[in-house]
Amino acid sequence: RKEVEQDPGPFNVPEGATVAFNCTYSNSASQSFFWYRQDCRKEPKLLMSVYSSGNEDGRFTAQLNRASQYISLLIRDSKLSDSATYLCVVNSGYSTLTFGKGTMLLVSP
Amino acid sequence: GAVVSQHPSRVICKSGTSVKIECRSLDFQATTMFWYRQFPKQSLMLMATSNEGSKATYEQGVEKDKFLINHASLTLSTLTVTSAHPEDSSFYICSARVSQDSGRGDQPQHFGDGTRLSIL
Repeated sequence: RKEVEQDPGPFNVPEGATVAFNCTYSNSASQSFFWYRQDCRKEPKLLMSVYSSGNEDGRFTAQLNRASQYISLLIRDSKLSDSATYLCVVNSGYSTLTFGKGTMLLVSP
Repeated sequence: GAVVSQHPSRVICKSGTSVKIECRSLDFQATTMFWYRQFPKQSLMLMATSNEGSKATYEQGVEKDKFLINHASLTLSTLTVTSAHPEDSSFYICSARVSQDSGRGDQPQHFGDGTRLSIL
């Protein structure tokens, strides 16, 4: 089983749609979790950290389910500029980040 | 916010050339920086952890004599790809954590812009 698994997509949605991504991780000792966004041929940029209590930042909501070892990202009212690859990232130790392959989102007019 | 600068952003050179990539933390000190590599349509893979003032820690399968890392100061780490060959062509990205956290690694890492290396 891969350490961090994501559906690669692409997810094709119209503007204004709500879309959700899930990510599963295999290491139950994982300590912290993040969603990064990566545009084509660019570096990853932090979108949000994921807390046990869940967190929301504008149109973005992240949830963590430790029992089932999955993380989710919900994007509401999708914008064209949301088109990107969303990386699920798990920190399994002091500094070791493990990246999923990413889920591609394409928002169309 | 934390800014990590990486230079150069693009390198095209002949096989056998050695290429140095710099990673700088511009507004904070980073005792630890990380070097990743990303092949097309693949996830980022950690190559090595760069520690200021000491030897880098390499991930399994990464040749330390091939990928030389020097973390000479709290704001600069360099990765040198020695005698690069076409199979070394990839997107190389560095990152750093902003501050010492509780030891649980719960602070996010901030990434440089990346260096796209093409070896002909």
